[in-house]
Amino acid sequence: QKEVEQDPGPLSVPEGAIVSLNCTYSNSAFQYFMWYRQYSRKGPELLMYTYSSGNKEDGRFTAQVDKSSKYISLFIRDSQPSDSATYLCAMKETDKLIFGTGTRLQVFP
Amino acid sequence: EAGVTQFPSHSVIEKGQTVTLRCDPISGHDNLYWYRRVMGKEIKFLLHFVKESKQDESGMPNNRFLAERTGGTYSTLKVQPAELEDSGVYFCASSLFRGRAGSEAFFGQGTRLTVV
Repeated sequence: QKEVEQDPGPLSVPEGAIVSLNCTYSNSAFQYFMWYRQYSRKGPELLMYTYSSGNKEDGRFTAQVDKSSKYISLFIRDSQPSDSATYLCAMKETDKLIFGTGTRLQVFP
Repeated sequence: EAGVTQFPSHSVIEKGQTVTLRCDPISGHDNLYWYRRVMGKEIKFLLHFVKESKQDESGMPNNRFLAERTGGTYSTLKVQPAELEDSGVYFCASSLFRGRAGSEAFFGQGTRLTVV
């Protein structure tokens, strides 16, 4: 069983839609939770970083962590074609990151 | 401020040859990480430097891989001899701190290695 599970998609939505991306994990020692966005042929770019249960909002993005359920989510409001990318969840106990496989998102005009 | 820089962006080598990948972290970042993504799989940790010292090399696949970080600045990852299964994208990341707020890792664009 993988430590981090993420639905690979692809997920295709119309412009303006609310997108929900999710990951589950098995290691209760994870303390830090991140969402990265990766465009084709580029490196992962940090979007959100949280270290507690609850919600964190940054513009159109909201990260949600539920440690009791070992479940994290990323919500994208008013999605734009420029949001089309692969979204990677990642988490860590101390230093090294454990990644999900990534979800491909396509936002069409 | 310059981000994490990796060289080369793409390398194609024959099985049995040697390849050296280079990473220049963000200036002042003591922590430097190497990760790898093979086709169809998730990005996986290879090793972690704190300054010039290897803090964790538990992800290194075998002794064909050698990582160094001269003077705690840039890092190199050498694969010798390369095998077909070494093909993938190698990412370098750096962070200012470890294991707490402010320890976000910033990634380079990756080196795409193809072994034929």
